[in-house]
Amino acid sequence: DGGITQSPKYLFRKEGQNVTLSCEQNLNHDAMYWYRQDPGQGLRLIYYSQIVNDFQKGDIAEGYSVSREKKESFPLTVTSAQKNPTAFYLCATFTLNTEAFFGQGTRLTVV
Amino acid sequence: QKEVEQNSGPLSVPEGAIASLNCTYSDRGSQSFFWYRQYSGKSPELIMSIYSNGDKEDGRFTAQLNKASQYVSLLIRDSQPSDSATYLCAVNIGKTSYDKVIFGPGTSLSVIP
Repeated sequence: DGGITQSPKYLFRKEGQNVTLSCEQNLNHDAMYWYRQDPGQGLRLIYYSQIVNDFQKGDIAEGYSVSREKKESFPLTVTSAQKNPTAFYLCATFTLNTEAFFGQGTRLTVV
Repeated sequence: QKEVEQNSGPLSVPEGAIASLNCTYSDRGSQSFFWYRQYSGKSPELIMSIYSNGDKEDGRFTAQLNKASQYVSLLIRDSQPSDSATYLCAVNIGKTSYDKVIFGPGTSLSVIP
C-alpha cells in the first residue's frame, strides 16, 4: 500500500542535541511538507519541498533544517538552536489537487 | 498575512444532531478548500474537498463554499460519538497546484451520547 512513513513515533531530545526525524513516501508525490503542531493548535509550516534538491522555508523555519536528495525522502533535523522543540511533527505530501496525505507523526519531547 | 480562521470550540452536540463547523479565509484568490478530521494523538485525514461554490455531499458530511463571502462550512448530519475529533479547515492560497496550503487552528467537536 502507498503511504507516508514517519519514524520514530516518539523521540526524546536532550538539551543541546540535534535530532533527525525521518519521512519516507512511496506515493510518487513531488511535494513534501513538514508541519509542527502544538497542543490545541493548528498546523504550522516549517519547510516544504516541491522538487528534489529544492526546498523553501515555511513560517517557523528557525532552528530546523531539511534536505531533499531523493523524491521519496524529506528528513527534518531539529537543531540545538530550536529552543522549544517539544511538539507533534507531521510530514505530508500533496496531490495535484493539493489534497494532503499525512504520516502518523513523531512526538518529540525535550528531556 | 494569509489567514484561515475557524469558529472557536469546543463544540458539543447531542448524538443524532447536526454539527456545523465554520471557516473563513482572507485570500480572495483561494481556489481549493479542504476539511480534515484529526483524532487526539493521531494525524489528520482528509474527509472533504470542495473547489466550486455551492454544496458538496458525501454521506453524512456536506461541505458548503461561498467564495464571495470567503466562507466554507462543514455540516455533519446524524452526529455520532465517533465524530468526536478536531476538524481542520485548509485553504490553498496559491494559483498553482503546489502553492502553500494554510491550515486553520481547528475546532474541537464533542458528540454526547
